[in-house]
Amino acid sequence: SAVISQKPSRDICQRGTSLTIQCQVDSQVTMMFWYRQQPGQSLTLIATANQGSEATYESGFVIDKFPISRPNLTFSTLTVSNMSPEDSSIYLCSVSNNEQFFGPGTRLTVL
Amino acid sequence: AQSVAQPEDQVNVAEGNPLTVKCTYSVSGNPYLFWYVQYPNRGLQFLLKYITGDNLVKGSYGFEAEFNKSQTSFHLKKPSALVSDSALYFCAALDTGRRALTFGSGTRLQVQP
Repeated sequence: SAVISQKPSRDICQRGTSLTIQCQVDSQVTMMFWYRQQPGQSLTLIATANQGSEATYESGFVIDKFPISRPNLTFSTLTVSNMSPEDSSIYLCSVSNNEQFFGPGTRLTVL
Repeated sequence: AQSVAQPEDQVNVAEGNPLTVKCTYSVSGNPYLFWYVQYPNRGLQFLLKYITGDNLVKGSYGFEAEFNKSQTSFHLKKPSALVSDSALYFCAALDTGRRALTFGSGTRLQVQP
């Protein structure tokens, strides 16, 4: 199994600011993903974080709004840029080996 | 594009009774199906998965799921519900190309004492 940690666990931010979320895995993994869970909603894939190259974004998500870094096989960051209240969500990091594991999530509230 | 449907927003069941949480899927190729549970203010926890083999899959906490190819369903079941089973349950299908999951809308299970 893979143990995933995320920082911060939660934050309250002002409109127009940016927040960077960190995801650390205790082992090297090939595939890392970022999901969003809006209040009362299901999980939606934001992007696949590719090591050494640009992330692959899903429809409706763009790099300018959600820049992602993946400098190595155990770490990734997701930045939520120029935040608005509609960005209030739980953001989850996930990794895939033979299983799919999820981090504890970062609960973001934008005022 | 693949999709996962959970037709019930909420399921209510009395403690000790059997429970079923429904899931149907639409995928191209062989389905890889998962169930996850989410407790309040906690992360997503893996319950069980179907990759291949027996249609009845056993998972954590006494849960099991029945894969039915003809009905494209993967319903989650438990013979005897506990109050502590009350949580949000998600069915998901793996996109084998991207290795990412497509989730259903979630079903809130409420077990009454």
